[in-house]
Amino acid sequence: EPEVTQTPSHQVTQMGQEVILRCVPISNHLYFYWYRQILGQKVEFLVSFYNNEISEKSEIFDDQFSVERPDGSNFTLKIRSTKLEDSAMYFCASSDPGLAGVETQYFGPGTRLLVL
Amino acid sequence: GDSVTQMEGPVTLSEEAFLTINCTYTATGYPSLFWYVQYPGEGLQLLLKATKADDKGSNKGFEATYRKETTSFHLEKGSVQVSDSAVYFCAQSVGYGQNFVFGPGTRLSVLP
Repeated sequence: EPEVTQTPSHQVTQMGQEVILRCVPISNHLYFYWYRQILGQKVEFLVSFYNNEISEKSEIFDDQFSVERPDGSNFTLKIRSTKLEDSAMYFCASSDPGLAGVETQYFGPGTRLLVL
Repeated sequence: GDSVTQMEGPVTLSEEAFLTINCTYTATGYPSLFWYVQYPGEGLQLLLKATKADDKGSNKGFEATYRKETTSFHLEKGSVQVSDSAVYFCAQSVGYGQNFVFGPGTRLSVLP
């Protein structure tokens, strides 16, 4: 069964460093998303991406964040200058309208980011 | 704005007990509703979904019915197992490409 994959599974970085989180969505999907989950808290939407551009973003997704689909398979989230409060689990998801009126997002296993 | 509310956890049950996790939503549109499960150390897995009023989603013995009149999507299972111990998230989505709004999650612990 096709699945969303993410790398790395864990990343530790120093405050102020840049990190790139990578995702490979399900191959025939058209919509891509990033969410984050701070430890013990709810899953929060960051950004959605369709047709090579951002379609929606939350207030969390400020100028320190960017997304890119550099080729036909990868979808990346870059944090330009990490802050302590960026420590969280980051989930990538993808979806395909497929059956009319139905949309299901399929999530990757997550990347746990720890900023020191 | 759109939101999802879930019952506060943690919920601790004995094996074979009946489970209910309440979920209610507020939405400006007509959402699809989902339950996701997160097992310890893992990502989010789709458990079940429903896309219109009175639809019942079911999977692995879990079920939930989309109740428009009460704006609810309560998760139920008749007999829980230790392996059901996880965090359960209720979520809604309106339309294609729209972000999911998640509830805070309910941690379930099932004791043998």
